[in-house]
Amino acid sequence: AQKITQTQPGMFVQEKEAVTLDCTYDTSDPSYGLFWYKQPSSGEMIFLIYQGSYDQQNATEGRYSLNFQKARKSANLVISASQLGDSAMYFCAMREPLYSGAGSYQLTFGKGTKLSVIP
Amino acid sequence: DGGITQSPKYLFRKEGQNVTLSCEQNLNHDAMYWYRQDPGQGLRLIYYSQIVNDFQKGDIAEGYSVSREKKESFPLTVTSAQKNPTAFYLCASSILPPMDQPQHFGDGTRLSIL
Repeated sequence: AQKITQTQPGMFVQEKEAVTLDCTYDTSDPSYGLFWYKQPSSGEMIFLIYQGSYDQQNATEGRYSLNFQKARKSANLVISASQLGDSAMYFCAMREPLYSGAGSYQLTFGKGTKLSVIP
Repeated sequence: DGGITQSPKYLFRKEGQNVTLSCEQNLNHDAMYWYRQDPGQGLRLIYYSQIVNDFQKGDIAEGYSVSREKKESFPLTVTSAQKNPTAFYLCASSILPPMDQPQHFGDGTRLSIL
C-alpha cells in the first residue's frame, strides 16, 4: 500500500527565513505524482505545487520549491522568505490511480505539519 | 469566479438522523470527490465520481451515500449507519485526464453530533 510520512508535527520559522517541510513516500509504482497542499485554520485546501515521478527538474512555484530526491523517496517542500500568512497546516499527498480508469486518481495524504511563522 | 461551493459550513446531526452535505462546482470538471478529515489527520476518500450517474466507493464508504445527477453537483448523505460522523468533510473536483492536474477543494463542512 502506498504511504506518505510527514515526521514533523509542528515547525516554527522566523519571518523572512526559509523553512523545509519533510515528506517521504512509499510506492512500488514507477509512475506517481506528489502534491503539496496548504490548509489555513479556515479549513480550505489550497494547492501549492506538484512533482511528477518522471520530471527531470525540481518543481518551483513562486516562493515554493520541491526538493525531490527520487532514490530516497523524499519530496520536501521549501518555503523561502516566510510570511506571517504562511502559518497553516501543510499536507503532502501522493497520487494513487483509481482502478475505474479514465485518468482519475485518489490522493493519499500524510498527517500534516503545522507551520507557525514568528514575527 | 469559478470554484467549489460547499454548504452548510456547520451541520449538526441528531441520533438516527440522515443529513446531506451539498457540493456544487462551476469549474466544468468531470471528476468529483468526497474526503473526510479527522483532527490531526490527513484526508481519507469516501466516494468519487467520474461521470454523471456513476460513482465509486473510496476507502471509507460505509455509512455514506452519494448521487451524481448533474455534472455540477455531488451531494453526500451521512446516514444513521455512520456511527462516528463527527469530522470535517471536504469536496474536491478535477479534470480528467491528465493526472498531474490538482484536485481543487471547497471550504468544507464541519459535522457534529448533538
